[in-house]
Amino acid sequence: QVQLVESGGDVVQPGRSLRLSCAASGFSINTHAMHWVRQAPGKGLEGVTVISYDEKNKYYADSVKGRFTISRDNSKNTLYLQMNSLRPEDTAVYYCARGAFQYFDWLSPDYWGQGTLVTVSS
Amino acid sequence: DIVMTQSPLSLPVTLGQPASISCKSSQSLVHSDGNTYLNWFQQRPGQSPRRLIYRVSNRDSGVPDRFSGSGSGTDFTLQISRVEAEDVGVYYCMQGTHWPVTFGQGTKLEIK
Repeated sequence: QVQLVESGGDVVQPGRSLRLSCAASGFSINTHAMHWVRQAPGKGLEGVTVISYDEKNKYYADSVKGRFTISRDNSKNTLYLQMNSLRPEDTAVYYCARGAFQYFDWLSPDYWGQGTLVTVSS
Repeated sequence: DIVMTQSPLSLPVTLGQPASISCKSSQSLVHSDGNTYLNWFQQRPGQSPRRLIYRVSNRDSGVPDRFSGSGSGTDFTLQISRVEAEDVGVYYCMQGTHWPVTFGQGTKLEIK
């Protein structure tokens, strides 16, 4: 059974850093693309970043490019999101989501975690 | 970026009646491999999104057959044949053809 459990959300001041984790079970993250998608309070969904199954491709939304970095540890079956230079507009629930197997339909997330809340405020 | 436009944004429906949500993209969602990567998600109150439909018309495992998807190119539709109480929530279309992936604004389905 596929499970994704995010952690690391917190209240941080603008300009600070935070690292989110997503522990996966029921499948191997090195055979699937993995996504981070966020949802600001009361708002819609925004794709933040995605990493391909072979790590050869990493894409970022323009709003986070140069500040956020996606990575993973296959030995721990865990996905990460390093967030630097945080801004108030980064305040959101961050969801980890699984993409498709290898490259077919890899940009479409199927299973989602429960999310972790990041609040950027002074 | 591809803009996904949903309508209506609010959808009051009587139990047992059908419902339909439209999603239009600002450019074709046909990928160079010939597939169309259009998805539909349901987000119930207080929950994370759940995918219902992938590649326009394919139901995910465990999704009731009262949900169906159709469309092509830039125009897509999610239909619910008979709305049940558990269908309350926000529905999003999402394109996975081009990065950045983009979502519609969401359609809030409520029971009349």
